[in-house]
Amino acid sequence: DTAVSQTPKYLVTQMGNDKSIKCEQNLGHDTMYWYKQDSKKFLKIMFSYNNKELIINETVPNRFSPKSPDKAHLNLHINSLELGDSAVYFCASSYGLAGGFSYNEQFFGPGTRLTVL
Amino acid sequence: GQQLNQSPQSMFIQEGEDVSMNCTSSSIFNTWLWYKQDPGEGPVLLIALYKAGELTSNGRLTAQFGITRKDSFLNISASIPSDVGIYFCAGQIQGAQKLVFGQGTRLTINP
Repeated sequence: DTAVSQTPKYLVTQMGNDKSIKCEQNLGHDTMYWYKQDSKKFLKIMFSYNNKELIINETVPNRFSPKSPDKAHLNLHINSLELGDSAVYFCASSYGLAGGFSYNEQFFGPGTRLTVL
Repeated sequence: GQQLNQSPQSMFIQEGEDVSMNCTSSSIFNTWLWYKQDPGEGPVLLIALYKAGELTSNGRLTAQFGITRKDSFLNISASIPSDVGIYFCAGQIQGAQKLVFGQGTRLTINP
């Protein structure tokens, strides 16, 4: 059974297009995240939602807009894609703050490799 | 932005050897985590540490939360081919909500 799933696994698109990545978790977690991993494998957080509310919003271009319809889903929409957006995007989830220390134990999805041509 | 210093960046070892990697920061951390990432997959949590001085094992893996709360190490004993991958440290800085990740240690094993 998949704990954190993302679709699609691969996404190849032209510069200027708009695309979305979907994420779902069946772990019963309250908090979900989007990370970007660049070509050097550096992982950087982009957004975090706790119970559908945005709690972390790093310095990310406005072209990136996360949406959480419920606490089990966190989608990422990207407008006007640029070459520099090419990367692997990971969704992750964890218990909320009520989970105590385990709040920090984040479980990652398999990633979406985005290639902008 | 805040970043952990993880070393070494890469390791080339023989099967059966022990491995050691570490992470340091100038900030105090509440939590240290160690993840492993296989090619084409997401990072998988190996060990979580929550107390200064804590030493935790998971099979052949052992990790410690540094007493100063500014560092952590991960040891792998008797390496096997499936240990190949990229290992990341991650931590929660005191007072912050997010995790910050190290740059990763790429482990390659010669059979």
